[in-house]
Amino acid sequence: AQSVTQLDSQVPVFEEAPVELRCNYSSSVSVYLFWYVQYPNQGLQLLLKYLSGSTLVKGINGFEAEFNKSQTSFHLRKPSVHISDTAEYFCAVTRVGNTPLVFGKGTRLSVIA
Amino acid sequence: NAGVMQNPRHLVRRRGQEARLRCSPMKGHSHVYWYRQLPEEGLKFMVYLQKENIIDESGMPKERFSAEFPKEGPSILRIQQVVRGDSAAYFCASSRGTSGYNEQFFGPGTRLTVL
Repeated sequence: AQSVTQLDSQVPVFEEAPVELRCNYSSSVSVYLFWYVQYPNQGLQLLLKYLSGSTLVKGINGFEAEFNKSQTSFHLRKPSVHISDTAEYFCAVTRVGNTPLVFGKGTRLSVIA
Repeated sequence: NAGVMQNPRHLVRRRGQEARLRCSPMKGHSHVYWYRQLPEEGLKFMVYLQKENIIDESGMPKERFSAEFPKEGPSILRIQQVVRGDSAAYFCASSRGTSGYNEQFFGPGTRLTVL
């Protein structure tokens, strides 16, 4: 079975500062990795995904993530955040194939003006 | 090109009543997943369905919960005799379900409140 740990439940950061949201996973099989964003009272929107190939993945809204197999991590980064990035961010993993996603508990990013 | 539709968006029920949540997948998608998000928690998988088939229901509570995805019409998640602990946001996602990777697209969710 897979599991996901998001190490920080809340991350406050000043506008235009860089941010890193941490995610570690465990799995005994090959996995796909994802980051989703959820704005208040809305559904989830896919930010980026790692399926295979290059370990550095670029997504929407200037976010990127790096897959590190040896450390079983998939941390999300943005070099300069905006107020509009304030939201809940979820890391997720799934086995290769059409299988359900396993989510972390989420990290609430608060961008301060 | 409409996305995944869920209705109602908000649902209030009293303890003991039934809740029916509907999910219409994106056009061309034949696979539906239901997830539940409890307050301050991530999403937890409940059930995975194809048209007229339940593929995986390992995340469904054994009692009071059922799901279907008929040949025609939306997928329905049904909760009988609701209790306060059922209060949560319920999300469905759909995918094409063909071989290889298939992205799951999420609906806006139904927020169930049990009084």
